[in-house]
Amino acid sequence: AQKITQTQPGMFVQEKEAVTLDCTYDTSDPSYGLFWYKQPSSGEMIFLIYQGSYDQQNATEGRYSLNFQKARKSANLVISASQLGDSAMYFCAMREGGADGLTFGKGTHLIIQP
Amino acid sequence: DTGVSQDPRHKITKRGQNVTFRCDPISEHNRLYWYRQTLGQGPEFLTYFQNEAQLEKSRLLSDRFSAERPKGSFSTLEIQRTEQGDSAMYLCASSLAADHIGFGPGTRLTVT
Repeated sequence: AQKITQTQPGMFVQEKEAVTLDCTYDTSDPSYGLFWYKQPSSGEMIFLIYQGSYDQQNATEGRYSLNFQKARKSANLVISASQLGDSAMYFCAMREGGADGLTFGKGTHLIIQP
Repeated sequence: DTGVSQDPRHKITKRGQNVTFRCDPISEHNRLYWYRQTLGQGPEFLTYFQNEAQLEKSRLLSDRFSAERPKGSFSTLEIQRTEQGDSAMYLCASSLAADHIGFGPGTRLTVT
């Protein structure tokens, strides 16, 4: 079974609309961390947001928020007021408690249209 | 503020040659990671260092791959006897804590 599943290969969104990128994960470890990264066409992976499994509140970083639903094992990224510069690949990733490496999903290609 | 840097940014080599990549992490970061990303896929974990100790290696890291981090500062990733399947983007990342891992720009390897 895949550890990280991103079911949206591509999305088109109108500028200024809110965007939700889906991510579900699979782990039996009670301690884990969830990450979202943005990868523009230049190739660099840009850290966006982190959620720990024991965090009581959903993480927020500026226009980014993480909708963490532990029972459903989902960690969706919400981008408010989308901008043209948000067009990129977005990857969800997980670090399980006993490991140090991140496991990434296949990504979602987000295109913001004017 | 200097981020993670990698050198070279691009490398073209012929099959069978050896290549070495360098990663310079953010200076105070004691954790360093190597990942590989092929076209259309997310990055795949290769190996992890804490200071100079290599603490974790993926099964993806065949015996043709070796990584070092002497003195706990920069790191090198060497691929011996390159194969066409080694063509990928090799990403280095570093962190001080486990919850904010920053990536470098990557080294794109093309094996012809």
